[in-house]
Amino acid sequence: GAVVSQHPSRVICKSGTSVKIECRSLDFQATTMFWYRQFPKQSLMLMATSNEGSKATYEQGVEKDKFLINHASLTLSTLTVTSAHPEDSSFYICSAPRLAGGSSTDTQYFGPGTRLTVL
Amino acid sequence: AQSVTQPDIHITVSEGASLELRCNYSYGATPYLFWYVQSPGQGLQLLLKYFSGDTLVQGIKGFEAEFKRSQSSFNLRKPSVHWSDAAEYFCAVFFGNEKLTFGTGTRLTIIP
Repeated sequence: GAVVSQHPSRVICKSGTSVKIECRSLDFQATTMFWYRQFPKQSLMLMATSNEGSKATYEQGVEKDKFLINHASLTLSTLTVTSAHPEDSSFYICSAPRLAGGSSTDTQYFGPGTRLTVL
Repeated sequence: AQSVTQPDIHITVSEGASLELRCNYSYGATPYLFWYVQSPGQGLQLLLKYFSGDTLVQGIKGFEAEFKRSQSSFNLRKPSVHWSDAAEYFCAVFFGNEKLTFGTGTRLTIIP
């Protein structure tokens, strides 16, 4: 089946530094990818939609200058948390729809997530 | 307002017993409905989905779900759970805006 990977799986950084998280679709192309944030014992909240070849679309309340998204190719999207602070500590998950160019109603395949801890 | 609710935060079931996880939504039309399972260290895995047609949907790992329009529900069931079913289960819904909205999740614990 379709596989989505994320790297790194876990990262610890100091406050004020920037962290980059990669999301890759391993056996299919994805013109769209989605980034979610999950707090402990809570649900996934959509942060932004990553679009290959164009700017990302951010959900209300998500700071686009803090969470930089780059959809570099049809198989790679990156989320950079800039000037990270302890409140940015969370579990970040990406997903991609299986059919290239498909809408988000297509089946989503999720990455394993990245645990970010900001000291 | 559009919303999806999973009323049970945590459920404990004996191995071999039956399971039902509840999911309710609030929407003026029929949304697209999904159930995902999240295991530690692994990505969310799709168990099953409902777009239209037969309201009883079969999924992977022996799970099924039934869409009940009158109750705005999409409950997940399994006749006999296995220890490996212990995980977090999420109901997710498309309300027509192409954004997947997740319920708060139900953590399933299996006891011997």
